[in-house]
Amino acid sequence: KNEVEQSPQNLTAQEGEFITINCSYSVGISALHWLQQHPGGGIVSLFMLSSGKKKHGRLIATINIQEKHSSLHITASHPRDSAVYICAVIKGAQKLVFGQGTRLTINP
Amino acid sequence: DTGVSQDPRHKITKRGQNVTFRCDPISEHNRLYWYRQTLGQGPEFLTYFQNEAQLEKSRLLSDRFSAERPKGSFSTLEIQRTEQGDSAMYLCASSLVGAGANVLTFGAGSRLTVL
Repeated sequence: KNEVEQSPQNLTAQEGEFITINCSYSVGISALHWLQQHPGGGIVSLFMLSSGKKKHGRLIATINIQEKHSSLHITASHPRDSAVYICAVIKGAQKLVFGQGTRLTINP
Repeated sequence: DTGVSQDPRHKITKRGQNVTFRCDPISEHNRLYWYRQTLGQGPEFLTYFQNEAQLEKSRLLSDRFSAERPKGSFSTLEIQRTEQGDSAMYLCASSLVGAGANVLTFGAGSRLTVL
C-alpha cells in the first residue's frame, strides 16, 4: 500500500463545477504539499500545509492531521485548471513522498 | 534568479550510453533533491543534498546512478550504461530549510528517452 493515496485518480468535470481532490497518508509528517503539473511541464507548488486551511484565489487546501487527510478544492473551475494535481508529504528528514496524482480535466 | 533550471530538457540516447543531467537550484536554497517520474505515476525520490553533502539515497538509485553537488550549488545526475527502463522524467527541486521555510521549487525536468 502506498504511503500517500489520492482519490480520484481521474476526474472530469464541466466548467464552473466545484472540485474536490482527496489525499490520505499513513505516515507521520511535518507538512504536506499540493502540487500542480501541466502536461509536459514542470511542477508548481500550490500550497504547503501543516495544519488548518489555506486559500489562494479559487483554490482552497485543508488538512486534518489527526485523520491524516487533506483535501484540495477548486471553486468555479475553468478549463485552464486542467492538470495533474499531486499530494506530497514531508516525511522524516525533509524527504517528499508523492501520491500518484489526480488527472483533472475541465470541459468548457 | 529565475528559479530552478535543468539541462538538457530532453535527451534521447541509445541503450548503453552514459548521460548526465544538470540542475541549477535557486541560489540561496541549501537543499537539492532529485526525483524520477514515469508516465502516469507520481515522482519517486532518488536522492537529496544539504549543501554539498549527499544525505540520503533511495534504493532506486542503482550503482549506475551517481549524483554530485560539488560546491553546494549546481548538481549533476549521471546515469551510466543506460537501460530502456531508465526512460523517465528526471526532476530537480530545491528548498531553503530553516525557520519558517520549506518552500520547495521544482525545475521543469529533464526527459530521458533510451532507445
